[in-house]
Amino acid sequence: GAVVSQHPSRVICKSGTSVKIECRSLDFQATTMFWYRQFPKKSLMLMATSNEGSKATYEQGVEKDKFLINHASLTLSTLTVTSAHPEDSSFYICSAIPLAVGYNEQFFGPGTRLTVL
Amino acid sequence: SQKIEQNSEALNIQEGKTATLTCNYTNYSPAYLQWYRQDPGRGPVFLLLIRENEKEKRKERLKVTFDTTLKQSLFHITASQPADSATYLCALVLDSGTYKYIFGTGTRLKVLA
Repeated sequence: GAVVSQHPSRVICKSGTSVKIECRSLDFQATTMFWYRQFPKKSLMLMATSNEGSKATYEQGVEKDKFLINHASLTLSTLTVTSAHPEDSSFYICSAIPLAVGYNEQFFGPGTRLTVL
Repeated sequence: SQKIEQNSEALNIQEGKTATLTCNYTNYSPAYLQWYRQDPGRGPVFLLLIRENEKEKRKERLKVTFDTTLKQSLFHITASQPADSATYLCALVLDSGTYKYIFGTGTRLKVLA
């Protein structure tokens, strides 16, 4: 149980276009999901906390107009990278914590590799 | 300043030996600490959690210790196998209510056959 999926797993786009990444909790509900960014051989950097039915909370230095987050349901959060540029190329990973009592760990998706040409 | 560091970027050990990975932090007061495994191109997978009032946790060949005085956690893999080769991340959970995690830089473990 507690599986998180991401779609797409890989995306290549041209500079200036927008890309949407979906994060789904497949067998549980989550009021809170997290979006991370990871550069090669670096650790995960928390970008934002996505809250179902309300605005996302962004970490310092993350542009909320650049990285749009929508948490429309208890099983789906989306991250849209708007007007993507080559420096946005990275590995984006989402995670979720089950709504059910007793869970302390985050369950991570498999990640999305974004390459902006 | 606040920092979380893992002892080395890469660690090579011989199969069958015990791998010991270190996670040190400064200027944080975590509610608990977790260890994750990450394979290349994949998301992290949860391994173990240890709370601030616990000294040690075990799960099969894995053992974690947590010393809040030293501000350090040690992660041990006994009888290591080539399949244990991966990057291991420690994560501090600062507030059990918000689930805000701070991840370490990771240690790439390679177990040599």
